Amino acid sequence: AQSVAQPEDQVNVAEGNPLTVKCTYSVSGNPYLFWYVQYPNRGLQFLLKYITGDNLVKGSYGFEAEFNKSQTSFHLKKPSALVSDSALYFCAVRDGWGGKLIFGQGTELSVKP
Amino acid sequence: GAGVSQSPSNKVTEKGKDVELRCDPISGHTALYWYRQSLGQGLEFLIYFQGNSAPDKSGLPSDRFSAERTGGSVSTLTIQRTQQEDSAVYLCASSFSEGGSQPQHFGDGTRLSIL
Repeated sequence: AQSVAQPEDQVNVAEGNPLTVKCTYSVSGNPYLFWYVQYPNRGLQFLLKYITGDNLVKGSYGFEAEFNKSQTSFHLKKPSALVSDSALYFCAVRDGWGGKLIFGQGTELSVKP
Repeated sequence: GAGVSQSPSNKVTEKGKDVELRCDPISGHTALYWYRQSLGQGLEFLIYFQGNSAPDKSGLPSDRFSAERTGGSVSTLTIQRTQQEDSAVYLCASSFSEGGSQPQHFGDGTRLSIL
């Protein structure tokens, strides 16, 4: 079965510093991987996806993610964090032809001024 | 509207009552998904529609849960004889097509509280 894991419940970063939110995956076949962000009392917003091609994927709001097949990882990164980036981040993998998403447990990102 | 619309945004009901949650997907999106978000279980898949049919109902937790979709558009998730463990945020998402590389777009959810 497909699965993803986010090893950190919380990540704390100072504003202006680079941030990384970690995700590892376990899939059979080629993975379709996604990152979503959730602000309080809101639904999930799509940030970026990896389907195939370049291992460095660029997405919304200055975020990017690096797909690493040998380490089965798909870490989310941003060169310079903003206080407004503080939110809950989910990594997900597409499962099956129907396309349902299997989510990690989420990582709470806190960016302090 | 531009996005996925869910109603009501909040629902409080007594244990044992039935509830209906509505999802209006993005126009033209043929695939529709229901998920549940709770503190203990995280984000869980419930059911998926392609058009009006539901090829994958594997995430529905019990036979008290059912869903339908009409006209290839609006979907309703019904929970009968609600229990306290049904308290959660129910999220709906839609995408242009099933499978493939299309991202799912989420509504803001219905927060369900069972007293």
